[in-house]
Amino acid sequence: GAGVSQSPSNKVTEKGKDVELRCDPISGHTALYWYRQRLGQGLEFLIYFQGNSAPDKSGLPSDRFSAERTGESVSTLTIQRTQQEDSAVYLCASSTGPFRGISYNEQFFGPGTRLTVL
Amino acid sequence: SQELEQSPQSLIVQEGKNLTINCTSSKTLYGLYWYKQKYGEGLIFLMMLQKGGEEKSHEKITAKLDEKKQQSSLHITASQPSHAGIYLCGAAILSGAGSYQLTFGKGTKLSVIP
Repeated sequence: GAGVSQSPSNKVTEKGKDVELRCDPISGHTALYWYRQRLGQGLEFLIYFQGNSAPDKSGLPSDRFSAERTGESVSTLTIQRTQQEDSAVYLCASSTGPFRGISYNEQFFGPGTRLTVL
Repeated sequence: SQELEQSPQSLIVQEGKNLTINCTSSKTLYGLYWYKQKYGEGLIFLMMLQKGGEEKSHEKITAKLDEKKQQSSLHITASQPSHAGIYLCGAAILSGAGSYQLTFGKGTKLSVIP
């Protein structure tokens, strides 16, 4: 079956421009996560959507970052006025339900979008 | 905040050799997750360990969570080129907004020479 897809796979932009990254989760997955992976660093949690609940935005690094999700489908991560430190691979994941720490709903990851800010 | 340290950072082994990757946490682990990442692909879930002393295997990959639950090791027996990639360990943390999220180590890059 179809997995998590992300687009574009690569994005090169100039400093100061806005970018929009897209994630298509697995159909029926209520939970959706965005992560950032900078070169030589571990994955950083950015934002989490669960069903129709208010998203957990606690991982967003600045107010230039925002994300939306329409129902339980597509999500877009928007970065405004991009900076060079925003260069990273942005990964999206989805799961059948929330992650409750002890009980784990496996997160299925997309291939990521590699963002380069010149 | 919980930090995960992985060692080594990178590893080059001859095909057929065994290898071990370690993941050490600054706090007690309540769930330890191993993932594999290949360039251009998403992370692939390998296994989850919860109980101290627990050991799980998937094909030629075995992972253990130590009794004190602050360290996990991932062992690959008779490595193959298909094992090459970046191995990431993850742990559950409570986010600033009170939801459980995964925090990851920086990864161990494994190369297997035929």
